[in-house]
Amino acid sequence: DAKTTQPTSMDCAEGRAANLPCNHSTISGNEYVYWYRQIHSQGPQYIIHGLKNNETNEMASLIITEDRKSSTLILPHATLRDTAVYYCIVRGEAGNKLVFGAGTILRVKS
Amino acid sequence: GAVVSQHPSWVICKSGTSVKIECRSLDFQATTMFWYRQFPKQSLMLMATSNEGSKATYEQGVEKDKFLINHASLTLSTLTVTSAHPEDSSFYICSAHRGGPYGYTFGSGTRLTVV
Repeated sequence: DAKTTQPTSMDCAEGRAANLPCNHSTISGNEYVYWYRQIHSQGPQYIIHGLKNNETNEMASLIITEDRKSSTLILPHATLRDTAVYYCIVRGEAGNKLVFGAGTILRVKS
Repeated sequence: GAVVSQHPSWVICKSGTSVKIECRSLDFQATTMFWYRQFPKQSLMLMATSNEGSKATYEQGVEKDKFLINHASLTLSTLTVTSAHPEDSSFYICSAHRGGPYGYTFGSGTRLTVV
């Protein structure tokens, strides 16, 4: 499965949009991009995933570049409860397993 | 929907004893379940993949005789840490997958402390 690169940490003001980037330059055509987050001492929480098209759900939006080599997770109105480690993961259907990188520590500040 | 229950949420055991952790998918059938371990301030490390009715596939460096995984049904997988030692103290997390491009659902984790 393709490796991902994320910034180590980011800060965001409460109420503003949080944009978390992820590079996955070696992604192949059938690999999905998944985003999860983990709040301290809890299991990871699914946020969103996509293949080629941009996706939106009640939690976030996922913007995937046309060449699919990078993506951005957007939390439209960040709250203090969004403070967590955010993981961008690329997975192919055949591989079936999720391998976590280091993720991005997002700190939402009031 | 897509809820995974993991039990217990925390356990303290004596060195040399065994501990069993359960992972149940409550409202879906999980074709595959995964077990992870997480040390403080580190990311999740995949230990093994289990498919219902077959032997688990362990990641490199994970001792299969020490971490016994059983996936007896499409809704239940168990991880048994045998002859636990203090260095096995960690946060263990399971995940269940329905197959295809669906998301993976994670349990809430089990904090194991071996004294």
